[in-house]
Amino acid sequence: DAKTTQPPSMDCAEGRAANLPCNHSTISGNEYVYWYRQIHSQGPQYIIHGLKNNETNEMASLIITEDRKSSTLILPHATLRDTAVYYCIVIRLPGNQFYFGTGTSLTVIP
Amino acid sequence: EAQVTQNPRYLITVTGKKLTVTCSQNMNHEYMSWYRQDPGLGLRQIYYSMNVEVTDKGDVPEGYKVSRKEKRNFPLILESPSPNQTSLYFCASSTAPLTNYGYTFGSGTRLTVV
Repeated sequence: DAKTTQPPSMDCAEGRAANLPCNHSTISGNEYVYWYRQIHSQGPQYIIHGLKNNETNEMASLIITEDRKSSTLILPHATLRDTAVYYCIVIRLPGNQFYFGTGTSLTVIP
Repeated sequence: EAQVTQNPRYLITVTGKKLTVTCSQNMNHEYMSWYRQDPGLGLRQIYYSMNVEVTDKGDVPEGYKVSRKEKRNFPLILESPSPNQTSLYFCASSTAPLTNYGYTFGSGTRLTVV
């Protein structure tokens, strides 16, 4: 499975959009991009996933570049409760395993 | 409510004293897995199971055992715990093969071995 690269930390002002980047330059055509987040040592929580089209759900939007080598998770109106570590993972479906990197620690500032 | 339940949430034990961390899921998932999380190292997979009586090593299996006698349960066994197994442990489950929503994680077990 392809590896991902994320910045170790980011800050975002409350109420603003948080844009979290992820590089996955070795992604192959049948690998999906998944995003999870982990709030203060709780179990990781699914956010969103996509293959090549942009996706939106009630939590976030996922923008995948046309060449699929990078993606951005967008939290449209960040709140203090969005402070967490965000993990970007790629996996081939159907597949068995997620490999988590060290993620991006997002701090939402009042 | 669909969930993965781990017990205990916190555990302090002494070196060499066998312990078991239980994991149970109520979603009829075939796939279950154990991870440990350490500062600066992210989540690393210990063992996984594709179905009953089928288990395989993950990235860091040394010092751990698992069993999958029933579909809903996947206990993690430390036969002789050592201080380097002090960590935060997560159990996770999913359908197999993995479909759209990935894993459901438990709330974690914080283990301290002194």
